[in-house]
Amino acid sequence: GAVVSQHPSRVICKSGTSVKIECRSLDFQATTMFWYRQFPKQSLMLMATSNEGSKATYEQGVEKDKFLINHASLTLSTLTVTSAHPEDSSFYICSGLGETQYFGPGTRLLVL
Amino acid sequence: LAKTTQPISMDSYEGQEVNITCSHNNIATNDYITWYQQFPSQGPRFIIQGYKTKVTNEVASLFIPADRKSSTLSLPRVSLSDTAVYYCLVGDPAGNNRKLIWGLGTSLAVNP
Repeated sequence: GAVVSQHPSRVICKSGTSVKIECRSLDFQATTMFWYRQFPKQSLMLMATSNEGSKATYEQGVEKDKFLINHASLTLSTLTVTSAHPEDSSFYICSGLGETQYFGPGTRLLVL
Repeated sequence: LAKTTQPISMDSYEGQEVNITCSHNNIATNDYITWYQQFPSQGPRFIIQGYKTKVTNEVASLFIPADRKSSTLSLPRVSLSDTAVYYCLVGDPAGNNRKLIWGLGTSLAVNP
C-alpha cells in the first residue's frame, strides 16, 4: 500500500515553456502533499506544502508564481514550472502524507 | 524543527549487519523518527518509523533509547542491492511539524 505515482518520469523542454508534473496517491487519500527538488549529490529540498482545496504554502526562496501548485482532489496534486529556464533543471519529487510521507518516483526535468 | 546528524558514508560487505546511528538532540515530544532509503534518480522509499524503544519490520529494525536523542537503523545481512543513501528524519506526521528536514544522509556502499 501507500503508492504514489508521478507523471512524467522524464521531460525535456525548451527554455521559456511551461511544464506540468502530476503527483497521484494511488491507494490512499492525501489531504497534504509535498513537493521537493533535488540537485545531483544533494539532499531533498522542500519547495512547498500542498493542501487539498487550499493554497499551497511555499518555502522561503521558492517563487510561487513560477512554481504553480494545484491540489484539486485528495489524490492529485500538480506542479507547473512556468517559463522554465536551464537552472530549473532538476529532479522533482512529490510525497503524499498518510501515516508518514510516501514518495513518488520523481520527475527528471531538463530545460534546454 | 529537529535537525539530525548521521555519518556521511559507510562501507560494508555482503551478509554483514549494518547499523547506522542518527543523532537528534532536540527532538520534540510529538516527533517520530523515520528512515528512508534512496537510490539514484528515484524517490525515497520508506523503511521504518518509530517513536520509542524498538521497532522491527521485514526489512529493518529501529532502536531508540529512552531519551530519544538518537536512533539506530539496523539492516540485517545486507546485499549489494542495499547500496543506497539512507536518511534519518524526525517530525510529527499528524501535527504542525509535518515538514521533514532532510540532511545529506548516509551513503552506504555494500561490497562483494
